Amino acid sequence: DAGITQSPRHKVTETGTPVTLRCHQTENHRYMYWYRQDPGHGLRLIHYSYGVKDTDKGEVSDGYSVSRSKTEDFLLTLESATSSQTSVYFCATRDPANYGYTFGSGTRLTVV
Amino acid sequence: EDKVVQSPLSLVVHEGDTVTLNCSYEVTNFRSLLWYKQEKKAPTFLFMLTSSGIEKKSGRLSSILDKKELFSILNITATQTGDSAVYLCAVDSGTASKLTFGTGTRLQVTL
Repeated sequence: DAGITQSPRHKVTETGTPVTLRCHQTENHRYMYWYRQDPGHGLRLIHYSYGVKDTDKGEVSDGYSVSRSKTEDFLLTLESATSSQTSVYFCATRDPANYGYTFGSGTRLTVV
Repeated sequence: EDKVVQSPLSLVVHEGDTVTLNCSYEVTNFRSLLWYKQEKKAPTFLFMLTSSGIEKKSGRLSSILDKKELFSILNITATQTGDSAVYLCAVDSGTASKLTFGTGTRLQVTL
């Protein structure tokens, strides 16, 4: 396993507040991804990173920003949380040696 | 826009049955197709397919890819209650190997 840790595991926040989710990996993988999972939509890519300070948008990036200041950490920030951002968020990394992807355990975020 | 479609959306079978799950795709730059099993938490990796016609097998699970017709199937033989899960198909394409997922097939295996 890629040793991916997501924090927090659960969070309830109020509409309009900023929220940051953290993904930490111990395998020195270059590629990291943030997905959200919602019923009826499957997993959708929010943002991804292909190296330190190198990030790009996925298909559902509005309202989210990311930062990657170190190889091991990839942060996802909801700038002003809305109820539509209530979801389960998964971080993933990719091992370039075998193209395998590994997912973290997820963060369940509820915006009230 | 890349697209992955899975069918059926859900399936209920009896223990011992054989099931076939389907995944079709339309992507601009195909690299590989992956199958994941998701129970209560994170998706766990089952197979990665890159070449047509070569079956990947792991125990009672097997999968094959048809790059001409743009689909893959996941077979589970002699199903057990522990196979109950959502099965996700994803395609790796384009820059940075982003995964595009289907919405999944929810499989329930009953006694």
